[in-house]
Amino acid sequence: DIQMTQSPSTLSASVGDRVTITCRASQSISNWLAWYQQKPGKAPKLLIYKASSLESGVPSRFSGSGSGTEFTLTISSLQPDDFATYYCQQYNGYPYTFGQGTKLEIK
Amino acid sequence: EVQLVESGGGLVQPGGSLRLSCSASGFTFSNYAMHWVRQAPGRGLEYVSAISSNGGSTYYADSVKGRFTISRDISKNTLYLQMSNLRAEDTAVYYCSAMVTSYWGQGTLVTVSS
Repeated sequence: DIQMTQSPSTLSASVGDRVTITCRASQSISNWLAWYQQKPGKAPKLLIYKASSLESGVPSRFSGSGSGTEFTLTISSLQPDDFATYYCQQYNGYPYTFGQGTKLEIK
Repeated sequence: EVQLVESGGGLVQPGGSLRLSCSASGFTFSNYAMHWVRQAPGRGLEYVSAISSNGGSTYYADSVKGRFTISRDISKNTLYLQMSNLRAEDTAVYYCSAMVTSYWGQGTLVTVSS
């Protein structure tokens, strides 16, 4: 199975900050990577697919980059609604493994 | 409007069985592979199972292989997860999804406890 490792596990930041979350795959997954946002008690929400494609309706302050084994999710200017947990997921092959999550907290 | 609505969760004793359903509407169900993902209380997302668009291929995580069976009824636009020999570690919210899309259900809670 492909292992996905996110860092950091927790991130404290303030409204207006630029933040970056990293996801590493244990082997190359080309650009078959998605990013999700999850809030407590809610289903995950797709933000980015194919590493850098923004899902329809997602604010442009979210962006993704990377290929192969190294990927990043960047939020250019944090808004109050962005404090949540973020997951990466590879879909290069089964199982479509998730990273362990990054909890974005208010500083 | 796209909707995925899970049902069938509840409290079950260890060793028991449960069948989850996921009713789909608002999109062409037969065009999409469908997936089950679960999340134990306070934990991250765990990929559980998948079925191809025509139902001809399935995948199971090692943690559920031999105990869970995924299926779909295209005539009813419904996805199923038959769970048997349930264990305490299967306690989780179970989500159905048409990955990788915005099509996710709201989740149904399965609690395995005596």
